[in-house]
Amino acid sequence: EAQVTQNPRYLITVTGKKLTVTCSQNMNHEYMSWYRQDPGLGLRQIYYSMNVEVTDKGDVPEGYKVSRKEKRNFPLILESPSPNQTSLYFCASSLGGALGGRADTQYFGPGTRLTVL
Amino acid sequence: AQSVAQPEDQVNVAEGNPLTVKCTYSVSGNPYLFWYVQYPNRGLQFLLKYITGDNLVKGSYGFEAEFNKSQTSFHLKKPSALVSDSALYFCAVRDIWVAGNTPLVFGKGTRLSVIA
Repeated sequence: EAQVTQNPRYLITVTGKKLTVTCSQNMNHEYMSWYRQDPGLGLRQIYYSMNVEVTDKGDVPEGYKVSRKEKRNFPLILESPSPNQTSLYFCASSLGGALGGRADTQYFGPGTRLTVL
Repeated sequence: AQSVAQPEDQVNVAEGNPLTVKCTYSVSGNPYLFWYVQYPNRGLQFLLKYITGDNLVKGSYGFEAEFNKSQTSFHLKKPSALVSDSALYFCAVRDIWVAGNTPLVFGKGTRLSVIA
């Protein structure tokens, strides 16, 4: 089954404790992206990757890191989480290719609900 | 800069009645437009998209949307609402002509409630 998976689905942590949220897709997609969803703000892009070893900032990258060492995986790293990073996080992937695959449909993971105390 | 507006936070409709969820957009060039739906505790699911061609786009679960360039709108519609359509709906846009990679920009979402 074609899918995007995220782990963990739920996480409660404390301020300053480093954490990683994993994302994996099995569709051989080139483009991957992380979003956060907050009430009344919709989805905002954190980081994206157009291919292996190619990553760039989205609209709200502060406090986050990513890496793309393999095509299928795109982990989101919070080096020192703070309470304002409490949110619902989504990973997404799409086929990619020329012009970043602008017409492509993005496929979303199930989400990770993060609470930072 | 590209942007999307969903003017209604909440839409209530009776089961069996037609529904409309509104979306307007702003881009410097021409848009690619998308609708996604989010059910409780689930990720976003793709409904439909407009790339080019026919202004009326048909998608999953009986939904359709009409691209109106003069009004810069892409409203989502369904002729007969079901209780199971109750969910959070997101409109999203990408500008075709902006150089380099452009993110998919989402609206704030509209919560649809279909009442039996």
